[in-house]
Amino acid sequence: GAGVSQTPSNKVTEKGKYVELRCDPISGHTALYWYRQSLGQGPEFLIYFQGTGAADDSGLPNDRFFAVRPEGSVSTLKIQRTERGDSAVYLCASSLTSLNEQFFGPGTRLTVL
Amino acid sequence: GQQLNQSPQSMFIQEGEDVSMNCTSSSIFNTWLWYKQDPGEGPVLLIALYKAGELTSNGRLTAQFGITRKDSFLNISASIPSDVGIYFCAGQFSNTGNQFYFGTGTSLTVIP
Repeated sequence: GAGVSQTPSNKVTEKGKYVELRCDPISGHTALYWYRQSLGQGPEFLIYFQGTGAADDSGLPNDRFFAVRPEGSVSTLKIQRTERGDSAVYLCASSLTSLNEQFFGPGTRLTVL
Repeated sequence: GQQLNQSPQSMFIQEGEDVSMNCTSSSIFNTWLWYKQDPGEGPVLLIALYKAGELTSNGRLTAQFGITRKDSFLNISASIPSDVGIYFCAGQFSNTGNQFYFGTGTSLTVIP
């Protein structure tokens, strides 16, 4: 069975540009999570979806970050007016329900020049 | 955010040796997970723990959920070269059921 997939695997952009990162969760998983991982650190929570709705977006650093999951499956993390400090690996994870263990995708490495 | 202290930060061991690492929290968690991450990959789940005092094994890996609910440890027996990687603990609160908080990781190097 397919695991969590993320595209692109790498994204290089210039400061001030807009980027979209995509996550395809495991089929049937209702919960989807976005994390950000900086070098030498553990994943840091950004936002959690239960179905189509964002159940907890307390980890989004500011209003330049936004995520959607319109049909309760694929999710897109959107970053406006990117800054060099946004450079990190963005990880997506899904779980059967919010109380089950999470399975991670390979991540998207974002580099803002 | 919550602080999960993971130790040691790094380990260099000989192949065949046993490994022990732990994770402590200032808060009570109801779920502890242990992940392994290889370079350029996402974390891979190793063991999940749901009850205080629970001891769970997965092959050469054994993990325990501390009685106080504020700590967990992971043991690896008879280490092999493919055990190399970064190991993360993650904890989830009892009253939220959503986000997990991750430790800073233990980097393991196995010398053949």
